[in-house]
Amino acid sequence: SQQGEEDPQALSIQEGENATMNCSYKTSINNLQWYRQNSGRGLVHLILIRSNEREKHSGRLRVTLDTSKKSSSLLITASRAADTASYFCATNGNQFYFGTGTSLTVIP
Amino acid sequence: SQTIHQWPATLVQPVGSPLSLECTVEGTSNPNLYWYRQAAGRGLQLLFYSVGIGQISSEVPQNLSASRPQDRQFILSSKKLLLSDSGFYLCASGDNSPLHFGNGTRLTVT
Repeated sequence: SQQGEEDPQALSIQEGENATMNCSYKTSINNLQWYRQNSGRGLVHLILIRSNEREKHSGRLRVTLDTSKKSSSLLITASRAADTASYFCATNGNQFYFGTGTSLTVIP
Repeated sequence: SQTIHQWPATLVQPVGSPLSLECTVEGTSNPNLYWYRQAAGRGLQLLFYSVGIGQISSEVPQNLSASRPQDRQFILSSKKLLLSDSGFYLCASGDNSPLHFGNGTRLTVT
């Protein structure tokens, strides 16, 4: 990709379990953002973490950022079937570059 | 808040035909605007971005072009489509704040 990679590419879990997705990027950043995409739709912003922050929470979402390793993780706790979607990280240096995404399936 | 309008939602075009996809933005002024392409099951590839009227930057060499004739209008074009131009095209608006996306246009070149 132009900037980064998420792993795993696909993740399938049972409802109630936690889901962890990782993102690696290549260049220096101002902030890193996570987005969600339902099939065939546009992306929706979930959470933003600035380059000087290490961890951020929003509801059932927890994001970490390690700028020394150029990596971030997104944790979704107590997953629900409605969390089924693709999740992308995006880095904002001069432009917005997206990773390749993780396809999450939450089985009811 | 911002609203991004994209049309059409789906489009089937023959190889060699022209293309024009339009994106308009409501709820903001002088936004940075972006065109992304997403291949099936893949990530988003940044195609073009614009920081103002008439200002277009291209990220990758390709068969496509972009124009910004008005502050909140961003157009993606091609004179002759290739099979490889098939994909899901997304318009987005934003600066250092989170991007706002339209619902995309699914283009199939046959």
